[in-house]
Amino acid sequence: GENVEQHPSTLSVQEGDSAVIKCTYSDSASNYFPWYKQELGKRPQLIIDIRSNVGEKKDQRIAVTLNKTAKHFSLHITETQPEDSAVYFCGAPDGGYNKLIFGAGTRLAVHP
Amino acid sequence: EAQVTQNPRYLITVTGKKLTVTCSQNMNHEYMSWYRQDPGLGLRQIYYSMNVEVTDKGDVPEGYKVSRKEKRNFPLILESPSPNQTSLYFCASSRTANTGELFFGEGSRLTVL
Repeated sequence: GENVEQHPSTLSVQEGDSAVIKCTYSDSASNYFPWYKQELGKRPQLIIDIRSNVGEKKDQRIAVTLNKTAKHFSLHITETQPEDSAVYFCGAPDGGYNKLIFGAGTRLAVHP
Repeated sequence: EAQVTQNPRYLITVTGKKLTVTCSQNMNHEYMSWYRQDPGLGLRQIYYSMNVEVTDKGDVPEGYKVSRKEKRNFPLILESPSPNQTSLYFCASSRTANTGELFFGEGSRLTVL
């Protein structure tokens, strides 16, 4: 089955800096890679996703890049703001079992 | 409003006392799933359901049961809770199994003494 590793586990940046979180996956057949944001005490919510037929997708200050050859994908947040502070989870499908496997999460802290 | 509703949100119970966490969605989603969230371990899937009367084990199913008698409801049952089931539980639903947005409930924090 699919295995997803996420790094770093914690990330601290100054407001205005960029933040990058990376995930690697094991199943070369995986074709969908979402990123979820979980604010303190809240539910995870999808912020961006990418499918395997594209290499990059942007939505305002966030972007996701995918390298299928190396089997990794990354979340990029530019011009970070304090409200970006949260736990971020990446995911990849375990296609043979109809489920989504999540990484262990990255706790991002943006300091004013 | 499209939503996934879980109850109870908070529960403290004792070892061995059966409990049920309810989950209901109003989006007519076929796929529903239960996750538990523990520090450093992320979101781990307990059980999932592709449709009514179709359920399957996730990665950590031991000690849990589920049922899917109606499309909108997917209760999680702990027949004999133990302290290692103390966790934050999330129910989620999606239009598709693993290639579409998961909509999460607000979470249920369970403590087993």
